Amino acid sequence: GAGVSQSPRYKVAKRGQDVALRCDPISGHVSLFWYQQALGQGPEFLTYFQNEAQLDKSGLPSDRFFAERPEGSVSTLKIQRTQQEDSAVYLCASSLVSGEQNTGELFFGEGSRLTVL
Amino acid sequence: AQSVTQLGSHVSVSEGALVLLRCNYSSSVPPYLFWYVQYPNQGLQLLLKYTSAATLVKGINGFEAEFKKSETSFHLTKPSAHMSDAAEYFCAVSYYGNNRLAFGKGNQVVVIP
Repeated sequence: GAGVSQSPRYKVAKRGQDVALRCDPISGHVSLFWYQQALGQGPEFLTYFQNEAQLDKSGLPSDRFFAERPEGSVSTLKIQRTQQEDSAVYLCASSLVSGEQNTGELFFGEGSRLTVL
Repeated sequence: AQSVTQLGSHVSVSEGALVLLRCNYSSSVPPYLFWYVQYPNQGLQLLLKYTSAATLVKGINGFEAEFKKSETSFHLTKPSAHMSDAAEYFCAVSYYGNNRLAFGKGNQVVVIP
C-alpha cells in the first residue's frame, strides 16, 4: 500500500477485555516496529520484527502483550485482560531495510488509540 | 541506556520568527539522531536525520539541525516560522545496528499569527 495502515483507529475497551490491533506495513518493508505513546509522552518501543521473526520484544510491558507477524507482512498486537494503564496510542512503523542498514528512517501509521474504561 | 531530553513541552512562536527546539542526548557513543514531526491526525514523519556525515543537516520544509558532539546536542531550527509548522516535534536517537529508536517527550509548537 501507499503507507502504513493501522486499524482500528479508535478502540474503547472495558477493563479485562482482550483487544487486537492490526498493522499493515508498506509492501516489501522488511522491518516492523510497535511503539506505545501515552498521553503527553514520546513513543516508547515495544517490539521489532524482521520479516516474520520477532527479534526484539524487550519493550513489551507485561506478558499480557503479545505481537505476531506470521507471514512477514501484516502484524497484530494483542493485549489480553486490558487495564486502564494500557490506554495509549499504539503506533506501528515499517522500514525497507533491516539490521545494521537501518538508520532509523521509519514510516509510521496514524496509530490506534486505545481507551480502557 | 540511550535517552533524549527535550525541554519545554509547549513552544509558542510568532509567525516569521525563529523556531528553535532543543534536544540533548546522553551517550558516550556517537549516535544516529533524528527529528520527527507529527501533524494533527497524521502519523510521525521523518523531518531530518544525522548519521555521522555532515554535522549540519537540512531537512524538509526549511528545517535544519546541527550535531554538536561537545554539547551532546542536536537542536532543530527554522529561520522563519509558518502557520503550517504547527505540529508536535520529536527528537529521537538510535545506534548503529540497533533498530530501537528512543524518543524524547516532544514539543508542541504553536504558531501565533
